[in-house]
Amino acid sequence: GQQLNQSPQSMFIQEGEDVSMNCTSSSIFNTWLWYKQDPGEGPVLLIALYKAGELTSNGRLTAQFGITRKDSFLNISASIPSDVGIYFCAGLGLPLSGGSNYKLTFGKGTLLTVNP
Amino acid sequence: EADIYQTPRYLVIGTGKKITLECSQTMGHDKMYWYQQDPGMELHLIHYSYGVNSTEKGDLSSESTVSRIRTEHFPLTLESARPSHTSQYLCASSEYKGLGGYPTASGANVLTFGAGSRLTVL
Repeated sequence: GQQLNQSPQSMFIQEGEDVSMNCTSSSIFNTWLWYKQDPGEGPVLLIALYKAGELTSNGRLTAQFGITRKDSFLNISASIPSDVGIYFCAGLGLPLSGGSNYKLTFGKGTLLTVNP
Repeated sequence: EADIYQTPRYLVIGTGKKITLECSQTMGHDKMYWYQQDPGMELHLIHYSYGVNSTEKGDLSSESTVSRIRTEHFPLTLESARPSHTSQYLCASSEYKGLGGYPTASGANVLTFGAGSRLTVL
């Protein structure tokens, strides 16, 4: 099936630093979603992207839908301790196996640790 | 404020017990999902439903079963729990209707997750 390569797998940064993570695939996606999961909780939507080239911000977060529709990145500026958590990308597209049912595929997550 | 509720949040049980994880959503969403998340973080889709009386198996084979008798309710059941079932189970829902078609540029396909049920089988 479709696969998303999310990197890096983990990051250890100092408070105040900027963070960048991305997802790439050999498949084309129609929608990109970025989620954050706090420890012991479910993932919460951060940003949704619906158009190739789209650049969207949510506070200190910025995400872009790649022009080729095969990738997306998420940037966090001036990180703070509460940014700690797991960040997931998810892409909506048609499965490689065929068919017309769109499928949401999740990346494996990026674990972010912020040292105060 | 959560619109999708999972109970119990934490459950520790012995091998062989039958358990049901509850999931309810108040958003009127047609599509609902169950994901299994191991300590390695990755989310694995184990069940989903397009609506009432619809249930489908996901990408990861699971011994659990699900039912969808009401739009808002999507419980997951394990008839005989084993230590290998120890995991975090996440329920989610989305508005997207229908079985296919080109998704419009809207929030219809965005998943809203519950807080999760952490199951430990001894």
